[in-house]
Amino acid sequence: QLQVQESGPGLVKPSDTLSLTCTVFGDSISSTTNSWGWIRQPPGKGLEWIGSIFHTGTPFYNPSLRSRITTSVDMSKNQFSLKLSAVTAADTAMYHCARIRTANFDFWGPGTLVTVSS
Amino acid sequence: DIQMTQSPSSLSASIGDRVTITCRASQSISRFLNWYQQRPGKAPKLLIHDASSLQSGVPSRFSGSGSGTDFTLTINSLQPEDFATYYCQQSYNTAFPTFGGGTKVEVK
Repeated sequence: QLQVQESGPGLVKPSDTLSLTCTVFGDSISSTTNSWGWIRQPPGKGLEWIGSIFHTGTPFYNPSLRSRITTSVDMSKNQFSLKLSAVTAADTAMYHCARIRTANFDFWGPGTLVTVSS
Repeated sequence: DIQMTQSPSSLSASIGDRVTITCRASQSISRFLNWYQQRPGKAPKLLIHDASSLQSGVPSRFSGSGSGTDFTLTINSLQPEDFATYYCQQSYNTAFPTFGGGTKVEVK
């Protein structure tokens, strides 16, 4: 059964880099049918797409965040990762990773809350 | 980017009611429109993809319709577990998917 699980520090200082990892269980991160994405949700607000890594390896990022985002894939660990630099309080949110199939986010992780505060 | 606008932002309904939520895209997206349900404290769940295709395991009281710029999610005979927030999302531009602002369905 597919599971995706986010992990990373829950508290990040302003101007630091937020680093999160998504571990996939029950599916292969390298499968050509899959792409993978990150979505965040500030407390009490809606969903914001952060970026996606297509099965071709090509990443796509939200233009509003592009200058601060780095993503990577570790196929040996069946993981993909997100780094967001120069964080501010506006980056405080629940961060979800998700599988993408035929352009749909068809399976989501439970999310990890990241708070930006000194 | 393609802007997605949902209405209403919230609504109150009773068990057994029929509920309709609307999503409008800022440009034509054909039928590349998905609907998600998010219960409090939980991750979003895909309900409907490609405007009207029910995701596996989703109850048949959920249905979607529309094409181009205007789309609708309908819940027939609202059940207790349906009180949640619903989001639409366009997958027309796979390089920049965007979500609507959400519609919260509350108990009347």
